[in-house]
Amino acid sequence: DAGITQSPRYKITETGRQVTLMCHQTWSHSYMFWYRQDLGHGLRLIYYSAAADITDKGEVPDGYVVSRSKTENFPLTLESATRSQTSVYFCASSARGGRNGYTFGSGTRLTVV
Amino acid sequence: QKEVEQNSGPLSVPEGAIASLNCTYSDRGSQSFFWYRQYSGKSPELIMSIYSNGDKEDGRFTAQLNKASQYVSLLIRDSQPSDSATYLCAVNPLVAAGNKLTFGGGTRVLVKP
Repeated sequence: DAGITQSPRYKITETGRQVTLMCHQTWSHSYMFWYRQDLGHGLRLIYYSAAADITDKGEVPDGYVVSRSKTENFPLTLESATRSQTSVYFCASSARGGRNGYTFGSGTRLTVV
Repeated sequence: QKEVEQNSGPLSVPEGAIASLNCTYSDRGSQSFFWYRQYSGKSPELIMSIYSNGDKEDGRFTAQLNKASQYVSLLIRDSQPSDSATYLCAVNPLVAAGNKLTFGGGTRVLVKP
């Protein structure tokens, strides 16, 4: 299916475990982004990528790792999950970055227990 | 001062009335402006984009931009219960490295039948 897909939709993990959230887009968009959304904080940028093999930190990168070996995939890894990383995670993509807006994936609700 | 500010609401509007949402931004060089709608438990959906001063209409939605006063607004005419959602304002600041959007915290709109 065309579009941007995230997996899994829901994930429960234990403190200290490594977990990877997947993001895949079929438009060949150059830009991809990872946000987390929490009550009281809105959308906060974790990492972004302007092209394959080019990534950079956003506002809240600590505890997260990203890679982008292929244009269509942008996985987000929590190296050692903490309860403060319980959140809803959104991946987004855009052909021209912020200039013409983003399209968001459906999100992953992550709970760290 | 936050870069993009919105009143969190809730903005309560009778069905059939006009809902008026406001957003102010701090970067005077900002070039692109967007409104996203987010239903509870869902991902943000782009509903309007505006790049030039003035009004832009799309169906029941009108976006208004005033760069001199650094605000952008969204009007929803003939409000329907299905318009009940959180509306996010997003701005592409000129100085943003990596061509990213900055989001406001969102305004929750409740349309009452």
